[in-house]
Amino acid sequence: QQQVKQSPQSLIVQKGGISIINCAYENTAFDYFPWYQQFPGKGPALLIAIRPDVSEKKEGRFTISFNKSAKQFSLHIMDSQPGDSATYFCAASPPGSGGYQKVTFGTGTKLQVIP
Amino acid sequence: NAGVTQTPKFQVLKTGQSMTLQCAQDMNHEYMSWYRQDPGMGLRLIHYSVGAGITDQGEVPNGYNVSRSTTEDFPLRLLSAAPSQTSVYFCATRQGQLYEQYFGPGTRLTVT
Repeated sequence: QQQVKQSPQSLIVQKGGISIINCAYENTAFDYFPWYQQFPGKGPALLIAIRPDVSEKKEGRFTISFNKSAKQFSLHIMDSQPGDSATYFCAASPPGSGGYQKVTFGTGTKLQVIP
Repeated sequence: NAGVTQTPKFQVLKTGQSMTLQCAQDMNHEYMSWYRQDPGMGLRLIHYSVGAGITDQGEVPNGYNVSRSTTEDFPLRLLSAAPSQTSVYFCATRQGQLYEQYFGPGTRLTVT
């Protein structure tokens, strides 16, 4: 059962454009929603994350928008650059309660930013 | 400070062979995990550990064993490799209840 659905699978954006990647989740117990960025041959690295008590979080050119009622969240990359070309994973995690919180990952979006 | 290291970087096995993927961390993190990454499947949790001597199964544990005798090391053993275990394997660490995970560079495994 896939609990986090991510789209699109791949995305091509012109330099300077806006890249948008969407994720939807099913488990209302999730309370932490990170985005990871992965370059070829490397491990994923945390890019930005949000908790459900806010609707938006911005860090530089990267913004997460969160819609709790729709159970959806998205990553927006403003002024996309060729260096942003990577695979992006959304993820979701339940609250910590003294034990291990299993993170559920989306299937990934391969972003290519063309000059 | 190397963070999370994984060895080997690449490995080719024949069906039925066994091997151990190594993972080491120098961040003194309590939690360590193993994931496999397959095209179109995202990252799936194989096994995890919340401290030395404590391990548990994740989403896809069959065919893999783990142990954690020290805080620093968390090896993943393939008992009898199968072509279905062809994948990229990532080790990750986390400091207790903090959410951010730190991933190693991965091991690309091919089973023929």
